Amino acid sequence: DAGVTQSPTHLIKTRGQQVTLRCSPKSGHDTVSWYQQALGQGPQFIFQYYEEEERQRGNFPDRFSGHQFPNYSSELNVNALLLGDSALYLCASSSFTSGSYNEQFFGPGTRLTVL
Amino acid sequence: AQSVTQLGSHVSVSEGALVLLRCNYSSSVPPYLFWYVQYPNQGLQLLLKYTSAATLVKGINGFEAEFKKSETSFHLTKPSAHMSDAAEYFCAVSTTLTGNQFYFGTGTSLTVIP
Repeated sequence: DAGVTQSPTHLIKTRGQQVTLRCSPKSGHDTVSWYQQALGQGPQFIFQYYEEEERQRGNFPDRFSGHQFPNYSSELNVNALLLGDSALYLCASSSFTSGSYNEQFFGPGTRLTVL
Repeated sequence: AQSVTQLGSHVSVSEGALVLLRCNYSSSVPPYLFWYVQYPNQGLQLLLKYTSAATLVKGINGFEAEFKKSETSFHLTKPSAHMSDAAEYFCAVSTTLTGNQFYFGTGTSLTVIP
């Protein structure tokens, strides 16, 4: 059973560019959450997708946007990159329909470096 | 609002000694509480979770945690540290009000001294 997968593993961009990160949830999961983990910090919630809609959003600017596809996979898009966007971006999946939505499984993350 | 405080950003223990990592939470409603471990350059792995059943929760790799409502605490313990336990540990809280949005602490880095 494949767990949560993310791509790419590493990414280097320059300020002002745009980036797209991808996530495939664990088999049987229908909800995807995205987190930003800056160096030396705990993960910070960006947003959560369920049924292809953004259901919740943390304190992140509109430059951060996302999408969920019918197969439950998800993308995180960040526009107009800033140096401060450099971080590990984690995707977590859970199952709302099975009632275990309070347990999240995390992927290995995408390390984004903005120069 | 929900929040988590992890006391001690760095903890060092000798191999074979007791591991105690502290977590205090703030929540206006009954919380769900979690401990995750993160090894270098990896994602988060669930160690254990509290979801309003037994207050003493046993997890993987010999770790356990006790939910104490009166102290708003959920400290993580392991009787005997192994070298492989060296990692970053995160405590997290969520509630039904937050729709499963997790709030993480800032983490505790555990060093195991041989």
